[in-house]
Amino acid sequence: NFMLTQPLSVSESPGKTISISCTGISGSIASSYVQWFQQRPGSAPTTVIYEDNRRPSGVPDRFSGSIDSSSNSASLTISGLKTEDEADYYCQSYDNDNWVFGGGTKLTVL
Amino acid sequence: QVQLQESGPGLVKPSETLSLTCIVSGGSISHYYRSWIRQPPGKGLEWIVYMHYSGSTNYNPSLKSRVTISVDTSKNQFSLKLSSVTAADTAVYYCAVTDLLTGNVYWGQGTLVTVSS
Repeated sequence: NFMLTQPLSVSESPGKTISISCTGISGSIASSYVQWFQQRPGSAPTTVIYEDNRRPSGVPDRFSGSIDSSSNSASLTISGLKTEDEADYYCQSYDNDNWVFGGGTKLTVL
Repeated sequence: QVQLQESGPGLVKPSETLSLTCIVSGGSISHYYRSWIRQPPGKGLEWIVYMHYSGSTNYNPSLKSRVTISVDTSKNQFSLKLSSVTAADTAVYYCAVTDLLTGNVYWGQGTLVTVSS
């Protein structure tokens, strides 16, 4: 079965740029679209990236997504970090139309 | 802008059936794929079920035998039933829809369901 793995936590200072990885296991990350969801403490998830690199309206262009087939991974990159970006981030893709979530990455902005 | 609202009992007894409804506003439910996802306290997201706009359905294999998803297009809503619940089913339950034209995913605010006698 296709699985997605993410680092448990990452941290960076305000104003810096950070990338969160999402690595595919037992399958190709490029076979299906990847979405990224942000979940602030006590809130529901919201979509920050869909279909690998598309941003919903209202999501700042500081957020970007990419796919690297050579490492079989997707990445969410956040530039110009703000304290409000502190949240859990989940990648999601598909395995034969079944949703697959990564375990989530806690981003600390300090 | 599409908005989703989950509703249903916040407390369910063990062995009973959990029933939740997701009301969709700001767009026709016929234009979306429909999903349910849950999140146990302090844990990550777990996908439950996904319904294609055609009505075909995919289930999390670990929950398939207990899950039913249905849609009421006249009310622009879809529902989840999870039977034979145990304490392990205690979680915040989210509904989500994927726009079949754009691929964007919209989430409800979530509802906490506790399984306890």
